[in-house]
Amino acid sequence: QSVLTQPPSASGTPGQRVTISCSGSRSNIGGHPVNWYQQLPGAGPKLLIYNDNQRPSGVPDRFSGSKSGTSASLAISGLQSEDEADYYCVAWDDSLNCPVFGGGTKLTVL
Amino acid sequence: QVQLQESGPGLVKPSETLSLTCTVSGGSVSSSSYYWSWIRQPPGKGLEWIGYVYYSGSTNYNPSLKSRLTISVDTSKNQFSLKLTSVNAADTAVYFCGRRECSGGSCYEGHWGQGTVVIVSS
Repeated sequence: QSVLTQPPSASGTPGQRVTISCSGSRSNIGGHPVNWYQQLPGAGPKLLIYNDNQRPSGVPDRFSGSKSGTSASLAISGLQSEDEADYYCVAWDDSLNCPVFGGGTKLTVL
Repeated sequence: QVQLQESGPGLVKPSETLSLTCTVSGGSVSSSSYYWSWIRQPPGKGLEWIGYVYYSGSTNYNPSLKSRLTISVDTSKNQFSLKLTSVNAADTAVYFCGRRECSGGSCYEGHWGQGTVVIVSS
């Protein structure tokens, strides 16, 4: 069982906006920045969002991150077929003194 | 552009030691700007953070693996390594190495290797 809680699945049609949630506690999301990774089938993770809402260069502005209290969200607007992937949130945890991942959300583009 | 490449045996027997190496190109493990990380992904499951090492040799480990884990850095070869002792089937996973950086109050792995499959089986 993961320290950070994500819905196991999400879906949307091309062009839609979808959001993926990540719930934690004061010892992780509530006190530390959240990062998001995209993992395409058979590939390694790719950094999508860091420091709650910052995009690395090369990541389309269709991807955005936000945080409120002990929860964070990843939003994908203008959904495209190539966005079909697994998405993971991660944050430092003070109790464990290490980063902790969410269980991952499988996004399906219908 | 930094590149990372994992290498090591793809098959390890139960109770033995899993040893992996990550070779870094386009960057230096001696840099004080980065940490060098490992994560893993069991088949069909999510990501699990393993630990990281700094160029000085200081480390931070996942508490659940700490008693079996050693991560070290070899600046002469521009590599860093993972050793996990007393492995069992639960250690079967794809192992990824990465470069961790800290900026603006946030730390994250911006670069990962392609991963290497390790199966624990007799």
